Amino acid sequence: GQNIDQPTEMTATEGAIVQINCTYQTSGFNGLFWYQQHAGEAPTFLSYNVLDGLEEKGRFSSFLSRSKGYSYLLLKELQMKDSASYLCAREDGDYKLSFGAGTTVTVRA
Amino acid sequence: ETGVTQTPRHLVMGMTNKKSLKCEQHLGHNAMYWYKQSAKKPLELMFVYNFKEQTENNSVPSRFSPECPNSSHLFLHLHTLQPEDSALYLCASSQGEGSGANVLTFGAGSRLTVL
Repeated sequence: GQNIDQPTEMTATEGAIVQINCTYQTSGFNGLFWYQQHAGEAPTFLSYNVLDGLEEKGRFSSFLSRSKGYSYLLLKELQMKDSASYLCAREDGDYKLSFGAGTTVTVRA
Repeated sequence: ETGVTQTPRHLVMGMTNKKSLKCEQHLGHNAMYWYKQSAKKPLELMFVYNFKEQTENNSVPSRFSPECPNSSHLFLHLHTLQPEDSALYLCASSQGEGSGANVLTFGAGSRLTVL
């Protein structure tokens, strides 16, 4: 595989901020995706980073450092509906995706 | 219907049965995929079709046989499966291959249990 590592589980309180880290092999890297998957549902696209830096989309932001092989997904002002699994996926130069095992985020009241 | 639709949503089969999973996309995409999702494991890519042609077979056992009659439909034929094949099978589509075109739209999956 491409050694995509992300934490298994995270728990946070409603209204708080959570940061989900993802590390990957830099060799042959092209871009980094984040997907959200609620239990029993399809994964849905959140973000795609190719360049270094932070991209913000409302309450969700995604960061990429190509040289460090590192990305994070930042969830702000957490809501109960944000409880889900968050999948990090690495795209290589042939546009093939390799997924991490996912981070299950639980938001508590 | 919109998006990616998978049927059946749940399937229980014996090891000697033959069954098929169906996927249909209404997005005008050119690439379709089968992924296997097991608990606590990364999504595993099984097959990729681009413009109806198979472009990827990720060392999948022959008891799984894909079929793509056109760009909108994808099947996964199942025969003589093993209990360890029990998993969620996800279908996805994308506009094509290439940076920016590779955003996957997934179906809700077919939950397969092999007895």
